[in-house]
Amino acid sequence: GEDVEQSLFLSVREGDSSVINCTYTDSSSTYLYWYKQEPGAGLQLLTYIFSNMDMKQDQRLTVLLNKKDKHLSLRIADTQTGDSAIYFCAETPGSYNTDKLIFGTGTRLQVFP
Amino acid sequence: DVKVTQSSRYLVKRTGEKVFLECVQDMDHENMFWYRQDPGLGLRLIYFSYDVKMKEKGDIPEGYSVSREKKERFSLILESASTNQTSMYLCASSFGQGERIDQPQHFGDGTRLSIL
Repeated sequence: GEDVEQSLFLSVREGDSSVINCTYTDSSSTYLYWYKQEPGAGLQLLTYIFSNMDMKQDQRLTVLLNKKDKHLSLRIADTQTGDSAIYFCAETPGSYNTDKLIFGTGTRLQVFP
Repeated sequence: DVKVTQSSRYLVKRTGEKVFLECVQDMDHENMFWYRQDPGLGLRLIYFSYDVKMKEKGDIPEGYSVSREKKERFSLILESASTNQTSMYLCASSFGQGERIDQPQHFGDGTRLSIL
């Protein structure tokens, strides 16, 4: 079955880069997503990557995809205190219609001054 | 902008009560979803609906039911609330059949439900 794993916590100093990692098991996943959840709020889509790409950059965000190892990462450059949140990766399982998403456990990013 | 509105941010109920959580979306989305979020467990899908009056069980449907009488509204029902249903509940909606992959699921702000 599908499973998406993330480490639970990451702590970084303001101004440093953050790298949040995710591994998934469904090799037929077509799209992979990163969501951000700020305290007391729902999830907000940050970015996504197609499975036939290996990198996508969007301002301070860089997504890297290693399909062979089924590894996805989100790099945040120049991390700010406003980046403190929970970050979820999610995949569209290839065995289902593409409307369902399988979410990871979420990584809580804490940024300290 | 897509708006997914959950009727309550915080809710406190007693064991054995029947509890209704309401969700409304304004983007004419075909799909609607209910998740629960617990620390260390991420988001777990309870039920989803891909059309009016249509529903499918997710990963943890036990103790829950849903209702979708109108396209914009999706209700989650706890038939007889128990303390292990204390959690954050998130509603989401999306276009159907793989449309708009760049807009996969839009989420409400969540309902933090406590069962005493």
